Amino acid sequence: DAMVIQNPRYQVTQFGKPVTLSCSQTLNHNVMYWYQQKSSQAPKLLFHYYDKDFNNEADTPDNFQSRRPNTSFCFLDIRSPGLGDAAMYLCATSSLLSQGAHEQYFGPGTRLTVT
Amino acid sequence: AQKVTQAQTEISVVEKEDVTLDCVYETRDTTYYLFWYKQPPSGELVFLIRRNSFDEQNEISGRYSWNFQKSTSSFNFTITASQVVDSAVYFCALSEAYTGTASKLTFGTGTRLQVTL
Repeated sequence: DAMVIQNPRYQVTQFGKPVTLSCSQTLNHNVMYWYQQKSSQAPKLLFHYYDKDFNNEADTPDNFQSRRPNTSFCFLDIRSPGLGDAAMYLCATSSLLSQGAHEQYFGPGTRLTVT
Repeated sequence: AQKVTQAQTEISVVEKEDVTLDCVYETRDTTYYLFWYKQPPSGELVFLIRRNSFDEQNEISGRYSWNFQKSTSSFNFTITASQVVDSAVYFCALSEAYTGTASKLTFGTGTRLQVTL
């Protein structure tokens, strides 16, 4: 089945230790998004890729970086995780081939714990 | 600026009851899109519906129905004969028309629906 896959589902890292979360998709969508969702809050967009073009949200901390080596994969790197970065990280994709607004398809998320 | 308000933080119903989740939005755009997503305990956000600002027809899909009213800037979601599997957090979201590189979603804060036997 076509889908958005995130690995791992649960990640524990130490304060200050770099961590990478991964996302892959079989939908062949040209846009990939990374969201941060803290407990009982709405998802917050960190950045997105339109093809290979990276688009950062103005309030995304520098601590968060992303890579998209090809259409299928996208990575979220947290250079020096702090306790405040503990959250669910959601990857999403959408296809923007025409005018309009297109629904985003989400992966199951990676729950990050920082100790 | 765009804004989505879901005033109901949590709703609890007994199975087979009907329940309506409210969503009120603000935008200056004349063209915009509204969405509902379901987030079960597993965490994945599941797309339910998209509606554009020019289509005010109500939609029904099985036990789910949506009422879009531009006059009140509302896009409410009703579940008929609720079931335990409907228990989840439901997010309403708003997007401006595609302007270049993405359709960015502005989410409401979500409504947690608990359906009990």
